Amino acid sequence: EIVLTQSPGTLSLSPGERATLSCRASQSVSSSYLAWYQQKPGQTPRLLIYGASSRATGIPDRFSGSGSGTDFTLTISRLEPEDFAVYYCQQYGSSPGTFGQGTKVEIK
Amino acid sequence: QLQLQESGPGLVKPSETLSLTCTVSGGSIGIVSYYWAWIRQPPGKGLEWIGSLYYSGSTYYNPSLKSRVTISVGTSKNHFSLKLSSVTAADTAVYYCARQRGDYGNLHWFDPWGQGTLVTVSS
Repeated sequence: EIVLTQSPGTLSLSPGERATLSCRASQSVSSSYLAWYQQKPGQTPRLLIYGASSRATGIPDRFSGSGSGTDFTLTISRLEPEDFAVYYCQQYGSSPGTFGQGTKVEIK
Repeated sequence: QLQLQESGPGLVKPSETLSLTCTVSGGSIGIVSYYWAWIRQPPGKGLEWIGSLYYSGSTYYNPSLKSRVTISVGTSKNHFSLKLSSVTAADTAVYYCARQRGDYGNLHWFDPWGQGTLVTVSS
């Protein structure tokens, strides 16, 4: 199965700053079949991005995804207070689908 | 608006079978291009896909759990269930159900998710 490694484990930033989250796959993810989710404490994961770069319905345009092959990035252009959360990537190009271990974005 | 809600016992004894139901409201399970999935998250840890179901009854399981998992459609077609046998403490987790986009057996992303239910395995 494909192992996804997210970095950094924790990102300490201030509101208004830019966040860059990395997701690296142990082998190429076919067709850029990669999604990103946001999970706030005690809440359910929320789909942000699918197909590596397509925003889900209702997701603000400050969230953007990019990448292909084995390297993918989630960028939050200007952090809002509600963006501090844990972010997970998920690949669905190869079965079984797998998740990364998560990156926590915390307030500095 | 589609909503999913998990239900079932919050405490299961070791070696017994964990059984959960996901009730779908605001929509039907019988929709082309959508699958219905179970995902779990041990306390403080990451996410693990357990398996998925198509309304026709086709099932897809994570190989790591396949020998112990059964996912099935409910009789009313607006709910589906998870059974995980021979549980141990390692199966303690929040269990989520979710709708999963897919086509011809290719399973894609999850959206939306249920609120999740904590199942603890303990004697």
